[in-house]
Amino acid sequence: GESVGLHLPTLSVQEGDNSIINCAYSNSASDYFIWYKQESGKGPQFIIDIRSNMDKRQGQRVTVLLNKTVKHLSLQIAATQPGDSAVYFCAENAGSNYKLTFGKGTLLTVNP
Amino acid sequence: GAGVSQSPSNKVTEKGKDVELRCDPISGHTALYWYRQSLGQGLEFLIYFQGNSAPDKSGLPSDRFSAERTGGSVSTLTIQRTQQEDSAVYLCASSLEIPGHQPQHFGDGTRLSIL
Repeated sequence: GESVGLHLPTLSVQEGDNSIINCAYSNSASDYFIWYKQESGKGPQFIIDIRSNMDKRQGQRVTVLLNKTVKHLSLQIAATQPGDSAVYFCAENAGSNYKLTFGKGTLLTVNP
Repeated sequence: GAGVSQSPSNKVTEKGKDVELRCDPISGHTALYWYRQSLGQGLEFLIYFQGNSAPDKSGLPSDRFSAERTGGSVSTLTIQRTQQEDSAVYLCASSLEIPGHQPQHFGDGTRLSIL
């Protein structure tokens, strides 16, 4: 079945460095993608989304890149801070289906 | 409140008991979703509400699980005759329901432990 997966289960970076979290998806019908941040004991927090008619979208310190050719999504965090330490999930949605399909997540650790 | 509110935040119960979990969505959000997150796992879709109706119940794992929504607002997820494998974090999300995809916003979940 369709799935969304992450290349790296863990990522450790130094404070101030840029972070890149990757995600592969397999459903070619997916046309909407979201990145969530989940801190311990909390629910997923919306970071940024992107529709399939775009290949790049920028937010505050974050950029999402979408490569539909290879079905790959990435989240770039600029000047990573200790408060960015969390599990990051990508999620995808296809057409009128409201159900989000989530990957297993990447644990980002920011070292001071 | 400003965000999705879930209660209780934690629930410990004995195997075989029934539990009821509550979700209060963001005001104005007509779409509501329930997901389940097991330890170290991603989120598993359970059910989706459009207003008070549930057009997609495909994720409910068994007939012991049911959900309802009244008044287009609060939703309850009920698990009957709980089993140990039901232990998980149950997350609720809500979104606007206008044309085009809309991000789902999550509450902090109910951590359910079945003894």
